[in-house]
Amino acid sequence: GAVVSQHPSWVICKSGTSVKIECRSLDFQATTMFWYRQFPKQSLMLMATSNEGSKATYEQGVEKDKFLINHASLTLSTLTVTSAHPEDSSFYICSARGGYGRGPPETQYFGPGTRLLVL
Amino acid sequence: GQNIDQPTEMTATEGAIVQINCTYQTSGFNGLFWYQQHAGEAPTFLSYNVLDGLEEKGRFSSFLSRSKGYSYLLLKELQMKDSASYLCAVMDSNYQLIWGAGTKLIIKP
Repeated sequence: GAVVSQHPSWVICKSGTSVKIECRSLDFQATTMFWYRQFPKQSLMLMATSNEGSKATYEQGVEKDKFLINHASLTLSTLTVTSAHPEDSSFYICSARGGYGRGPPETQYFGPGTRLLVL
Repeated sequence: GQNIDQPTEMTATEGAIVQINCTYQTSGFNGLFWYQQHAGEAPTFLSYNVLDGLEEKGRFSSFLSRSKGYSYLLLKELQMKDSASYLCAVMDSNYQLIWGAGTKLIIKP
């Protein structure tokens, strides 16, 4: 299997609050999970790579204290946007590798995404 | 640096054939992926090429030439539901995916 879920799908919050997004691999154990953000009409931007039981690897320019990633198990990774501000409004998408879908083992399978709006 | 190039937008007619090109320069190569992304949704896996040649899967085919750093996605018998962005991504020597900006495909009746 290669099904990835993400929750919530939509979140609206006030500036200064923290928001947690969950990413789950439903029918396989994910060796690695990835977090992306995507602005309208732009491509995916990798934020961080997460392996179970170890610290996430953040891409250059991504603040690790702002975007906290916890990969507690082989089926769950969470992204917490701390003290969110309007500029953090975006489409956040997770993906997981290690599933048995139509592609090779290195294939990333994506969750449905979370749309965050910070007022 | 690493770079993936694909056209920003293409338009085609329902029932026709369209070819979306992708050229790449990366540090190492461990395969090339094509994903489809409908507006407001997450990408879904379409195809993977690691050896030169054409891989055919129903209406969709993907071609790779490693010596030219070139791939294309061929869509036949276009349907309105094929309107989407098509993302080319190359896996480099560190098994990191390098993403192209995507090609928005518009299908007209």
